[in-house]
Amino acid sequence: KQEVTQIPAALSVPEGENLVLNCSFTDSAIYNLQWFRQDPGKGLTSLLLIQSSQREQTSGRLNASLDKSSGRSTLYIAASQPGDSATYLCLCTSGTYKYIFGTGTRLKVLA
Amino acid sequence: GAVVSQHPSRVICKSGTSVKIECRSLDFQATTMFWYRQFPKQSLMLMATSNEGSKATYEQGVEKDKFLINHASLTLSTLTVTSAHPEDSSFYICSASGGTSGRAGADTQYFGPGTRLTVL
Repeated sequence: KQEVTQIPAALSVPEGENLVLNCSFTDSAIYNLQWFRQDPGKGLTSLLLIQSSQREQTSGRLNASLDKSSGRSTLYIAASQPGDSATYLCLCTSGTYKYIFGTGTRLKVLA
Repeated sequence: GAVVSQHPSRVICKSGTSVKIECRSLDFQATTMFWYRQFPKQSLMLMATSNEGSKATYEQGVEKDKFLINHASLTLSTLTVTSAHPEDSSFYICSASGGTSGRAGADTQYFGPGTRLTVL
């Protein structure tokens, strides 16, 4: 059974710092891994999607990497801003319609 | 592109009543739609997957007679919470996938803004 864990559970950093969020999964046979942000009381915004054949994806200040052999994905946020404050979730797709969300990382970027 | 809407965004109802939540893909055809539930300070849990024109597939522990899902068209899915009780109070989020990868379950999901249900 796929288990997806995100570390740290919460993170508070000063503005401008580069930071790394981690997502670990137990079953490496995944189709893809997707990163989202969720603002309080709101829905999800898709950030990056990495297919199983890819190693990384980039969008603006965000870079996500995928290492299936070690069961890990990282989301790198460069030059963090207060507007980046949100909960970040990773979603693993493994097998047909097997979607498991990670436990989430609550990020607070201080001005 | 790839916008998904949900209606209503917030609903308060009395115990025992039924509530219908709509999920629409506005600018693409959603061959598959998903319904998630999120309890406070917890991550999202998949409730069910529905393909247009087919019966929904429910995850273990989700009562299909309580959470009725209809996916009658490529742009609309509805979730009806029947005989709602206070423990059904939660944040319900739908997502939609266009099925462009040709491989079931491998496509990007686009999420709606969510519906907060409060049952008194």
